Amino acid sequence: AQKITQTQPGMFVQEKEAVTLDCTYDTSDQSYGLFWYKQPSSGEMIFLIYQGSYDEQNATEGRYSLNFQKARKSANLVISASQLGDSAMYFCAMTYRVSSGSARQLTFGSGTQLTVLP
Amino acid sequence: KAGVTQTPRYLIKTRGQQVTLSCSPISGHRSVSWYQQTPGQGLQFLFEYFSETQRNKGNFPGRFSGRQFSNSRSEMNVSTLELGDSALYLCASSLAAGLEQYFGPGTRLTVT
Repeated sequence: AQKITQTQPGMFVQEKEAVTLDCTYDTSDQSYGLFWYKQPSSGEMIFLIYQGSYDEQNATEGRYSLNFQKARKSANLVISASQLGDSAMYFCAMTYRVSSGSARQLTFGSGTQLTVLP
Repeated sequence: KAGVTQTPRYLIKTRGQQVTLSCSPISGHRSVSWYQQTPGQGLQFLFEYFSETQRNKGNFPGRFSGRQFSNSRSEMNVSTLELGDSALYLCASSLAAGLEQYFGPGTRLTVT
């Protein structure tokens, strides 16, 4: 079964410091995609970063980087220089092939609530 | 480029009623997915449409249905509403399956 696990329900970080949000996944697919989304209290899901299973280099997008360790099946999100506006719920997600067709389904972890302290 | 739009943003319905939610994807995106988000169950996949065809469906009862139009706009319908259907319903669009999905602001449905 395809599964995403986020073991940190809540995290605190001091403003301007870096923080790592953990994500592990389980899949039997060789081809999959890993995503991180941010959900502020307003509710909208904001796409942050993507890592393909065949990508050899870790993805980076501005202050966000994805620490991809394929053998460990982990895809941790690193936020550098945290800002107050980073306070939100963060979701790790994975797409995987549904049966033998071309459809792919996105499955989410339970999320980590990040609070940035001034 | 305009983002994903969802209407209405908020909705209050009574048990037994039905509701239709609308989603307009980003221009050029042909894949539209729907998700239900509740505090207890988290984010759960409802269904995905591509070129007017439902390609994938999550584990929800038949009361939940959807469709996609030729302009890629999508609607989802929930019939015979139950209290447990109270949730944030999120729509997401992408260029193709497996690529990053861009979400709309959601429709917050309250069933009383």
